[in-house]
Amino acid sequence: KQEVTQIPAALSVPEGENLVLNCSFTDSAIYNLQWFRQDPGKGLTSLLLIQSSQREQTSGRLNASLDKSSGRSTLYIAASQPGDSATYLCAVRIRIKAAGNKLTFGGGTRVLVKP
Amino acid sequence: NAGVTQTPKFQVLKTGQSMTLQCAQDMNHEYMSWYRQDPGMGLRLIHYSVGAGITDQGEVPNGYNVSRSTTEDFPLRLLSAAPSQTSVYFCASSQSPNRGHNSPLHFGNGTRLTVT
Repeated sequence: KQEVTQIPAALSVPEGENLVLNCSFTDSAIYNLQWFRQDPGKGLTSLLLIQSSQREQTSGRLNASLDKSSGRSTLYIAASQPGDSATYLCAVRIRIKAAGNKLTFGGGTRVLVKP
Repeated sequence: NAGVTQTPKFQVLKTGQSMTLQCAQDMNHEYMSWYRQDPGMGLRLIHYSVGAGITDQGEVPNGYNVSRSTTEDFPLRLLSAAPSQTSVYFCASSQSPNRGHNSPLHFGNGTRLTVT
């Protein structure tokens, strides 16, 4: 059974510092890995999707890496801002019965960026 | 850009009552799913659908029913609510993964359900 872990559960940094968020998964047979952001009381917003054949994806200040062999992904957020404060979740896509887009989620890392 | 719309946003039920959580998407997505989010448990898949007329169970399907009569709508029914179903429910959709798409999931803003 696929298990996804995110450590630490919470992180506090001063504004301007780079953020490094970690995600690990137990089964390397994944289709893709997604990073999401969740603001309090809101749904999840997809930030980056890395296909299993890729090693990284970038979008603006965000960069996500994927190492399938070691079962790890890292989300880097450069020059953090108070608006980056949120919970960040990673999820891996696995296959069910040759159909579906089932994601297994980590527990999330709650980030606070202090002005 | 409506995306994925969930109603209601909040609901309080008494044990044994039934209700339907609504989910609609306007992106012509074939794949739709329901998750529940609980503290310490993360997000868990309840049911999903790969297209109109097709549904299947996820990790935690007991106590919930779904149907998919149209591409746009994917309602979740609680037949007899229990306190253990107190949670935040999220609907999510994407393009069909069966066509080789590595498609991100789009989430609604959630329904916060309390069962007393």
